[in-house]
Amino acid sequence: EDKVVQSPLSLVVHEGDTVTLNCSYEVTNFRSLLWYKQEKKAPTFLFMLTSSGIEKKSGRLSSILDKKELFSILNITATQTGDSAIYLCAVEPQGAQKLVFGQGTRLTINP
Amino acid sequence: EAGVVQSPRYKIIEKKQPVAFWCNPISGHNTLYWYRQNLGQGPELLIRYENEEAVDDSQLPKDRFSAERLKGVDSTLKIQPAELGDSAVYLCASSLNSGRDYEQYFGPGTRLTVT
Repeated sequence: EDKVVQSPLSLVVHEGDTVTLNCSYEVTNFRSLLWYKQEKKAPTFLFMLTSSGIEKKSGRLSSILDKKELFSILNITATQTGDSAIYLCAVEPQGAQKLVFGQGTRLTINP
Repeated sequence: EAGVVQSPRYKIIEKKQPVAFWCNPISGHNTLYWYRQNLGQGPELLIRYENEEAVDDSQLPKDRFSAERLKGVDSTLKIQPAELGDSAVYLCASSLNSGRDYEQYFGPGTRLTVT
């Protein structure tokens, strides 16, 4: 059974800190790994990763995938209160056209 | 461009009552997904449509849940009768599915509370 595990489940830091969120997975015939940010309700897309070792970057957020060790990390530097959200990791099995989500990491940034 | 639209945003019903959720995907998106998200968990796929055909409904509890996507655009998800354990956020998503570009766009969800 395909499985995604995120850690930590909850994280509280001060504004300006750097955080690293972890995502490990077990999936048959991996195709891609995706990160979403969920504020209130609708998850919004952050990154899609398909190749090992290639960092995806968007402003203060970056992510990288290790297909050998079956994990990904999401880094956020110089955190702001607006980064407070649930961060979801999901994997897409090859040919399945569906996402298997982890349980999410609830990130709280205190001023 | 309008995003995925869902209604209602909130619904409170008593157990054993029926309930229906509606989703209008992004225009032109041929694939539509219904997910259920329990508190503290990630979304779990219930059903996926390619146009009007349900191509993956393996996680849909078919004894009480049903879904339809007539004409391959809007979709409804129904629960009859609802149980206490059905309390969750029901998310709808859509994607274009052209080659490798199948990024899913999510709607705001419907928060269902069954009392």
